[in-house]
Amino acid sequence: DSGVTQTPKHLITATGQRVTLRCSPRSGDLSVYWYQQSLDQGLQFLIQYYNGEERAKGNILERFSAQQFPDLHSELNLSSLELGDSALYFCASSTPADTQYFGPGTRLTVL
Amino acid sequence: AQTVTQSQPEMSVQEAETVTLSCTYDTSESDYYLFWYKQPPSRQMILVIRQEAYKQQNATENRFSVNFQKAAKSFSLKISDSQLGDAAMYFCAYRTGSNYQLIWGAGTKLIIKP
Repeated sequence: DSGVTQTPKHLITATGQRVTLRCSPRSGDLSVYWYQQSLDQGLQFLIQYYNGEERAKGNILERFSAQQFPDLHSELNLSSLELGDSALYFCASSTPADTQYFGPGTRLTVL
Repeated sequence: AQTVTQSQPEMSVQEAETVTLSCTYDTSESDYYLFWYKQPPSRQMILVIRQEAYKQQNATENRFSVNFQKAAKSFSLKISDSQLGDAAMYFCAYRTGSNYQLIWGAGTKLIIKP
């Protein structure tokens, strides 16, 4: 158990819908990272937050957004969902400059 | 651009034997970190081992060790005394010292034959 929690574990929804994925980092970690793992594109970095502020942005679509709250949990919002958004979404956390530890992931299926 | 290449889509090894997974990377940075993560069928992403580029000594964690060749930009993972529980996808990942996003290889599927 990495200490990073993600909910829900599975999510099935329809095209055009909006979903929210939630992540709670390890105790003491200020940084949260979101990654997408899809069959055709592998693992890709989406976005990083540090202590409530956006720190880095990767290949995140405009339909996707994230935030980190004062209690350091983070949410990834995916809207206008398309079939191609079906993937495993990972959250990771770390102390600054340290190793990232991953949550169990949320499997999103868009029908 | 920084890239990570894992040229072996799949490897198999007999239980109790040793196997080496390859990873090469491309970077112009001098300060960076390299990682091996394991993803078993449960899909959990588990850290196996970490190497700082400034350290000449190869990292070791129990049965897992790396061969870090900085000049060749090579970072291979050696698994000794392979066990059935080692069966998983193994991903090589890279990040710079200042940019913490991980850049990933495509992964190598490791099969353990009993």
